[in-house]
Amino acid sequence: GENVEQHPSTLSVQEGDSAVIKCTYSDSASNYFPWYKQELGKRPQLIIDIRSNVGEKKDQRIAVTLNKTAKHFSLHITETQPEDSAVYFCAASANYQLIWGAGTKLIIKP
Amino acid sequence: EAGVVQSPRYKIIEKKQPVAFWCNPISGHNTLYWYLQNLGQGPELLIRYENEEAVDDSQLPKDRFSAERLKGVDSTLKIQPAELGDSAVYLCASSFGTSGPTDTGELFFGEGSRLTVL
Repeated sequence: GENVEQHPSTLSVQEGDSAVIKCTYSDSASNYFPWYKQELGKRPQLIIDIRSNVGEKKDQRIAVTLNKTAKHFSLHITETQPEDSAVYFCAASANYQLIWGAGTKLIIKP
Repeated sequence: EAGVVQSPRYKIIEKKQPVAFWCNPISGHNTLYWYLQNLGQGPELLIRYENEEAVDDSQLPKDRFSAERLKGVDSTLKIQPAELGDSAVYLCASSFGTSGPTDTGELFFGEGSRLTVL
């Protein structure tokens, strides 16, 4: 079955700097890769997603890149702000199943 | 439009007691999920419904957990009897169905039900 690995588990960056979170997946049939943000004590919410027919997608300060050959995808956040502090989860979907990474705690230092 | 509604938000029970959680998905969403989330970890799927049919319950501990989705709308998740290790947040999510060939599309989560078993 699918396995999703996410790194790093914790990421601390200075406010204004960029943050990059990486995920790898094992099932070549996976074709949908969402990223969810979960603030402390709140529900996970989708921030960006990408499908396997696209290599990169941007939405303001966030972007996701996908390398199907290497089976990895990454979340990029530029010009980080205090409100970006949260846990970020990647996931991979194949055959209507969604497999989640373990999460990355992003800390924005003032 | 209301989002996914769950209740109760918090529940404290003693071990061996029963507990039930309720979820009302977004109107029109055919797919409903129950996830378990432990502190500092990602959501783990317990069961997925397509309308009223449980299409993936392979990770549901059926000796103590049960779920139902009557009329393909609201759903309940029950634990009987609860064990100490069941302490976690139980998340309900819904989606319109699939928006791609075989993918799940965006999941909309409820606020979760935090269970503490003493």
